[in-house]
Formats: sequence, C-alpha cells, structure tokens
Amino acid sequence: KAGVTQTPRYLIKTRGQQVTLSCSPISGHRSVSWYQQTPGQGLQFLFEYFSETQRNKGNFPGRFSGRQFSNSRSEMNVSTLELGDSALYLCASSSDAKRADTQYFGPGTRLTVL
Amino acid sequence: AQSVTQLGSHVSVSEGALVLLRCNYSSSVPPYLFWYVQYPNQGLQLLLKYTSAATLVKGINGFEAEFKKSETSFHLTKPSAHMSDAAEYFCAVSGVQEGAQKLVFGQGTRLTINP
Repeated sequence: KAGVTQTPRYLIKTRGQQVTLSCSPISGHRSVSWYQQTPGQGLQFLFEYFSETQRNKGNFPGRFSGRQFSNSRSEMNVSTLELGDSALYLCASSSDAKRADTQYFGPGTRLTVL
Repeated sequence: AQSVTQLGSHVSVSEGALVLLRCNYSSSVPPYLFWYVQYPNQGLQLLLKYTSAATLVKGINGFEAEFKKSETSFHLTKPSAHMSDAAEYFCAVSGVQEGAQKLVFGQGTRLTINP
C-alpha cells in the first residue's frame, strides 16, 4: 500500500497570505490528523477528521482550519499567515479512531513564512 | 490531561553501546504509548507501541520498550547502537477520548552515534 502523501512538500509564503496543504491518507484509512512541528513548541496536535467530521481539535486559533472529503483526503488551511506559522506540518492517518490505533505519518509540508 | 516528558533532549552513545531513551507519562486514563523515530527531512515512523497486551514491547530495528505503571515510564532501549540509529525519537501518549485520534508528544530526544 502507498503511504500517506502530502503536497506540496515545501512552501514559501509572505505574512498575511493564506495557504492550503493537502494530505492523502493510506487507502482504506478514514481518520486523518494534522500536527504542527516547530523547534520551540515541538509536535502539537491541530485537529482530526473522521468521515468528513472534525472530531477533535487542538489549541490553535481559528485561522487554522481543515476539512475532509468523501474519499478521506484532507486539506488544512491557514489564513492571514504569521511568521510564527513557519513549521513542518505533518498529516497522519489511521484505519479507525480507537485510542490504540497506530497513526501513520506523511513526510510533511515545510511552510516558511517571510 | 495527558503529558509526556522525555529526559534528555540530546543523547550521545558510541557505536555498539546500549541505547536508553527515557520517557515518563501522565495520563488520566489507562495509557496507550508510542515511540516514533524521525530522520532528517522525513515524517515520523512508528518504532513500537504499548496497548496493554504485554509490558515488554518489541519493535522494529532491534528496539524495545518496557511499560512500568508504578514508575509511569516507557523507556526505549536497544542493546547495540548502529550508526543508522542516529535520528530524533519521540514518545507519545494517546488522548483520552475514545473514538477520536490524538497523540500528545514529548519534546523529543536527538540521538547521536559516535563511531
């Protein structure tokens, strides 16, 4: 099976712009989660989608949003970019949504905000 | 609330030496625990996970971890380090809500292998 894919791999934006990142989960997986990784804050949970519904959300401002499509592909959007949004954004998928389920991670999208 | 503490942001060992990466957790519910590894410019790869079936968990690449409830620990070990083990390692605990995925990560430990 193909793994989790994320596009694009690298992005450069300027402050105030918005950005959309895409994630395709492993075939058959219905849960998609997003994480932000920065040197200062480490890995932080953004949100999780299952069957097109957001079921869990981390402590991020409303500028961060996401959605999931009927084929389980997911997008996350960041509006009004700030310098502090520069980070590696990781997407993970799992087959179900049990606490014990393994999350499989994609390679990430590295966002740089200038 | 769930939390994970990884003792030592950097660990350096010689090739062939024992690798020990420490992880302590806090969980308001019976925990599910994970160790992931991240190589440069890559995502996270699962090494192993604890889901209450056995306290000693064996993973990929010769790694294993032991769940100790009394110590709230889940330390990662490997008997003999290889140069290819150089990477960053993350310990994580599942969120409390069943039916919703979430991982809470420690700050990570960067492992360096000296020849």
